[in-house]
Amino acid sequence: GAVVSQHPSWVICKSGTSVKIECRSLDFQATTMFWYRQFPKQSLMLMATSNEGSKATYEQGVEKDKFLINHASLTLSTLTVTSAHPEDSSFYICSARDMTGGEAFFGQGTRLTVV
Amino acid sequence: QKEVEQNSGPLSVPEGAIASLNCTYSDRVSQSFFWYRQYSGKSPELIMSIYSNGDKEDGRFTAQLNKASQYVSLLIRDSQPSDSATYLCAVLYGNNRLAFGKGNQVVVIP
Repeated sequence: GAVVSQHPSWVICKSGTSVKIECRSLDFQATTMFWYRQFPKQSLMLMATSNEGSKATYEQGVEKDKFLINHASLTLSTLTVTSAHPEDSSFYICSARDMTGGEAFFGQGTRLTVV
Repeated sequence: QKEVEQNSGPLSVPEGAIASLNCTYSDRVSQSFFWYRQYSGKSPELIMSIYSNGDKEDGRFTAQLNKASQYVSLLIRDSQPSDSATYLCAVLYGNNRLAFGKGNQVVVIP
């Protein structure tokens, strides 16, 4: 399958600081990228859908000013968690959709811990 | 109705048996359906995609789609201990949203 690289794989930050997570499609062009959050033993919760060159579409209940998404190129999307709080601690996973096949492939995930 | 529903609890199957997983979805116009496998602490990996009614086979995996019943399933033949994981059903909705079910945990007993 196609390769999606997510960085960093884990990060610890202090409350009130911001953290940026990068998601890159390495061997295909992804016009659409999805950002998910997953709490322990729970399913993936879609946070937002990002289309290259346009504003992200956020799911109900997800604060767009807190979770900033940028999809500036066909191979890169970023998620910035602003003014992080301990309740933002979670596993954040990106997924990039290969338009040629329609399938979506996942990055390795980023485990964020806010202390 | 939830967007993507996977109802059954953990599934335990003996090694070599068939594991059967089911999923229903709410959007009648959806055209793309996927099964992912997720090991604990890891991100999901794509197992199968299916777009047309009927069966699609890939190795020990068979996906079945019935759009009229809004139902998609996954069969794992000759189950192996390495198949023990959570299996996630995903549906691509018409507004370009990829929604997931809550997943089914499969435990293959040696």
